[in-house]
Amino acid sequence: DIQMTQSPSTLSASVGDRVTITCRASQGISTWLAWYQQKPGKAPSLLIYKASSLESGVPSRFSGSGSGTEFTLTISSLQPDDFATYYCQHYNIDRAFGQGTKVEIK
Amino acid sequence: EVELLESGGGLVQPGGSLRLSCAASGFTFNSFAMSWVRQAPGKGLEWVSGLSGSGMNTYYADSVKGRFTISRDKSKNTLHLQMNSLTAEDTALYYCVKEAGYTTSYIDYWGQGILVTVSS
Repeated sequence: DIQMTQSPSTLSASVGDRVTITCRASQGISTWLAWYQQKPGKAPSLLIYKASSLESGVPSRFSGSGSGTEFTLTISSLQPDDFATYYCQHYNIDRAFGQGTKVEIK
Repeated sequence: EVELLESGGGLVQPGGSLRLSCAASGFTFNSFAMSWVRQAPGKGLEWVSGLSGSGMNTYYADSVKGRFTISRDKSKNTLHLQMNSLTAEDTALYYCVKEAGYTTSYIDYWGQGILVTVSS
């Protein structure tokens, strides 16, 4: 089975910072990768699919890149609403999530 | 508007069984893959099981293979997850999710989740 590894596990940042989260797959998954945001007590919501496609309604400060085994989620200018936990997920036949990255206030 | 409403959760003893259901509305149920995703208290997301729009192709995480069975009732637009031989490690909030394609795809809609607690 394909394993997904995110780094870092926790990230401390300030409003306005550029933030990058990395996700690595244990084997190549082309661009079959999605990113989700989860706030406490809420179900996750989709940010990015197919590694770099922005879901409708998601602010353009969010972007995704990568293919094969290494992927990144970038928030160009962190906003107060962005403090949350972020998960990557591959969806190549099987599915699997990364362990999550919590973005907290510095 | 897409709605996914889970039911069937609750407290069950170790070794017991539980059947989760998810009533789907707002989209053509038979045209999309569906999955169950769970989240243990204070932990991350874990994909549990999924099936194709036809229901013919099913997939399971290693942690539940042989114990859980996913199915869909097309006549009632309902997704099910039969969970047997439950252990404390199965305690979690279980989300019913809709995927964006007929076969394996990303998740575009989530239910609110239903809590399953395995304890004596």
